[in-house]
Amino acid sequence: KAGVTQTPRYLIKTRGQQVTLSCSPISGHRSVSWYQQTPGQGLQFLFEYFSETQRNKGNFPGRFSGRQFSNSRSEMNVSTLELGDSALYLCASSFSGTGETQYFGPGTRLLVL
Amino acid sequence: SQELEQSPQSLIVQEGKNLTINCTSSKTLYGLYWYKQKYGEGLIFLMMLQKGGEEKSHEKITAKLDEKKQQSSLHITASQPSHAGIYLCGADKSAHDRGSTLGRLYFGRGTQLTVWP
Repeated sequence: KAGVTQTPRYLIKTRGQQVTLSCSPISGHRSVSWYQQTPGQGLQFLFEYFSETQRNKGNFPGRFSGRQFSNSRSEMNVSTLELGDSALYLCASSFSGTGETQYFGPGTRLLVL
Repeated sequence: SQELEQSPQSLIVQEGKNLTINCTSSKTLYGLYWYKQKYGEGLIFLMMLQKGGEEKSHEKITAKLDEKKQQSSLHITASQPSHAGIYLCGADKSAHDRGSTLGRLYFGRGTQLTVWP
């Protein structure tokens, strides 16, 4: 069974631009969670989607948004990029998102200049 | 919020040595996960522990959850260079958390392991 895939793997943007990251979960998994990882803050939860609905959201500004499609693939969007948005963005999938192992993708490394 | 403290922050061992990484919470842990991460890459799932006193092993890695479910340890026997990386513990909701924790894991800051030949 294929693992979680994320595209693109690397991205360079400039301040003020917007970016869209994509995540394809493991087949059969309906929950997709997004995390931001930085050296200063570690792994921080962004949001979680299940059956095309956002069920949970972390403490991030409204510039961070996401969506999930009927095939469980998910995208996250960051508008008006700031230097501090430079990070590794990881998505993880599980069957239902509750009390189950989350399997992570390889991440998208975003650099904002 | 659930806070997980990992120790040590970094560890440098010679190949063949045993080592232990600890993950401690001030709250009861409901679902404790161990992951390994190569720098700049995704997290690789190692093991999940749920019951107090539970112990699981895979190859040379053993993870335990104490009876009170507030501390977990990860032990590597006869370390190899392939064990090098960042080890992260993550946990599900605790009984004291408020708000939704659906699809959310709380993570420690990680332990950087270096194994030199």
